Amino acid sequence: QQQVKQSPQSLIVQKGGISIINCAYENTAFDYFPWYQQFPGKGPALLIAIRPDVSEKKEGRFTISFNKSAKQFSLHIMDSQPGDSATYFCAASRRISGFQKLVFGTGTRLLVSP
Amino acid sequence: GAGVSQSPSNKVTEKGKDVELRCDPISGHTALYWYRQSLGQGLEFLIYFQGNSAPDKSGLPSDRFSAERTGGSVSTLTIQRTQQEDSAVYLCASSLQPAREEFFGPGTRLTVL
Repeated sequence: QQQVKQSPQSLIVQKGGISIINCAYENTAFDYFPWYQQFPGKGPALLIAIRPDVSEKKEGRFTISFNKSAKQFSLHIMDSQPGDSATYFCAASRRISGFQKLVFGTGTRLLVSP
Repeated sequence: GAGVSQSPSNKVTEKGKDVELRCDPISGHTALYWYRQSLGQGLEFLIYFQGNSAPDKSGLPSDRFSAERTGGSVSTLTIQRTQQEDSAVYLCASSLQPAREEFFGPGTRLTVL
């Protein structure tokens, strides 16, 4: 059961442009929404995360927008750079048995052209 | 400091063979997780260890999969009688405590011929 749907599957953006990746979730019990960045041959690394009590969180060029009523959240990468080329995963979790069990989207492969 | 390490980085095996994948978490991290990343798919939770508590095995896809964590540190994921559909990247992660940021290792790419 796909509980977190992510789109697009791939994305090409010119250097300096805005990259936007969208995710939608089904389970209203989710209370933590992280984004991970993964480079080839590496494990995912936490990029930015948000909890549902805020609608937006910004860290540098990365912003999460969160729409609780629509059960959607998105990652915006401003002034995209070639070094941002990677695969991005959204995730959602709720605390089960003492830990946050993460459910991941299927990933978006971002290519930022020079 | 050192991050999460996994070995081997690549493993090619024949269908029906057993494989063992190893994870060394960050020192002092009490929580350890295994995930599977199949081509074109997101990460799929497999199993979670916290200290000396009984593991959460709810994500293991079949009884061919098992994992243990010795001494609250190193963990081994074992797949018995491997099948071609087991081909994937197996990722290990650890966190200082449950519900804290998870730090991932580079993964083991398993190919079952």
